[in-house]
Amino acid sequence: GAGVSQSPSNKVTEKGKDVELRCDPISGHTALYWYRQRLGQGLEFLIYFQGNSAPDKSGLPSDRFSAERTGESVSTLTIQRTQQEDSAVYLCASSLSGGVLRGYTFGSGTRLTVV
Amino acid sequence: DQQVKQNSPSLSVQEGRISILNCDYTNSMFDYFLWYKKYPAEGPTFLISISSIKDKNEDGRFTVFLNKSAKHLSLHIVPSQPGDSAVYFCAASGISTGNQFYFGTGTSLTVIP
Repeated sequence: GAGVSQSPSNKVTEKGKDVELRCDPISGHTALYWYRQRLGQGLEFLIYFQGNSAPDKSGLPSDRFSAERTGESVSTLTIQRTQQEDSAVYLCASSLSGGVLRGYTFGSGTRLTVV
Repeated sequence: DQQVKQNSPSLSVQEGRISILNCDYTNSMFDYFLWYKKYPAEGPTFLISISSIKDKNEDGRFTVFLNKSAKHLSLHIVPSQPGDSAVYFCAASGISTGNQFYFGTGTSLTVIP
């Protein structure tokens, strides 16, 4: 597609349940990033993919968080045993490698609410 | 630890005037600085960037200034238009800081017609 697509756009889940968030990057973009934005805070880096590999997972806040990417395309961010502090907007972005000054293209995000 | 800071959460400017959005950073190893613009219910969109070898980059109504000694950058919008009303994020990265960008908390700009 023309842009980065994320689904679902909104997700309400009960504390303790698992959730999966999906990202479809721009075709041909080899780099893919997950960020999250909690209320009143800046964007917080979670994980970076180059192709299907994740050389930088340093931002994942706990072992309840995991992500994978397949076919150098779709990525899934999974949060197990969700907690209320996981409530945030989860943003996916993609870019061409080496294009740091061109910035990323972000999706519209998934708003996750844990009740 | 917040490495990129935007100390003004909001700014209001009259249409036609200049908007100046400020950003401070703490890591002298940052090499690249970007500004993003975000409308409600949308993802941030890339606006303008600057590398640390420059002190100014201009693109139409948008100019970014970088003061490395002060670890400060600013975004100037002139003339401001109502459609510029959005949240603006600055972001910084560097070869030595890995692949992630560090983002500020954003400044909400309102341009009053």
